[in-house]
Amino acid sequence: DQQVKQNSPSLSVQEGRISILNCDYTNSMFDYFLWYKKYPAEGPTFLISISSIKDKNEDGRFTVFLNKSAKHLSLHIVPSQPGDSAVYFCAAVRGSNYKLTFGKGTLLTVNP
Amino acid sequence: AAGVIQSPRHLIKEKRETATLKCYPIPRHDTVYWYQQGPGQDPQFLISFYEKMQSDKGSIPDRFSAQQFSDYHSELNMSSLELGDSALYFCASSARLMGPGTGGFEQYFGPGTRLTVT
Repeated sequence: DQQVKQNSPSLSVQEGRISILNCDYTNSMFDYFLWYKKYPAEGPTFLISISSIKDKNEDGRFTVFLNKSAKHLSLHIVPSQPGDSAVYFCAAVRGSNYKLTFGKGTLLTVNP
Repeated sequence: AAGVIQSPRHLIKEKRETATLKCYPIPRHDTVYWYQQGPGQDPQFLISFYEKMQSDKGSIPDRFSAQQFSDYHSELNMSSLELGDSALYFCASSARLMGPGTGGFEQYFGPGTRLTVT
């Protein structure tokens, strides 16, 4: 049972445009959400996180939005750059156990 | 800044052999996590240690065991290896004492160990 879902396996955008990556979750006990970026043959790199008590968190070009009632979050990258091309994983945490539950990832390709 | 160190980076073993993976967390991080990522899959949580005590257990086979030592490094021991154990194994660390709302949930991953069982 996939508790964190990334329904788009891939996304292609033009350099300079906005990239929007989506994530849905089913477990209402999740109270912290994170986005990771992963290049081939490397470990996931932490990008940005958001607590369930907030609906938006911004860090430079990256903004995460959380819609708790819809159990949906999204990562916006503006402007997109070719170096952003990677697999993006959405992950969720229950405050009681700290382990990450990942989605299956979305491959983002930013074309020059 | 210091990152999570994993060794070895690559490991090739035969079926029924044993393997030991090592992880050195970021200094002053109090929690270590192990994840397994199969081909085309998302990372799956195996086990975690907080202040050298096992804190949570996921889908870790009984053939696997892990521990965290006094210097906070951790080892994942895998015995009776099977072909299906071939995967990337990631270690991550976090500073849990920072607490909820202050960033204590962020986990920082190492580069991984690619285990191939033949």
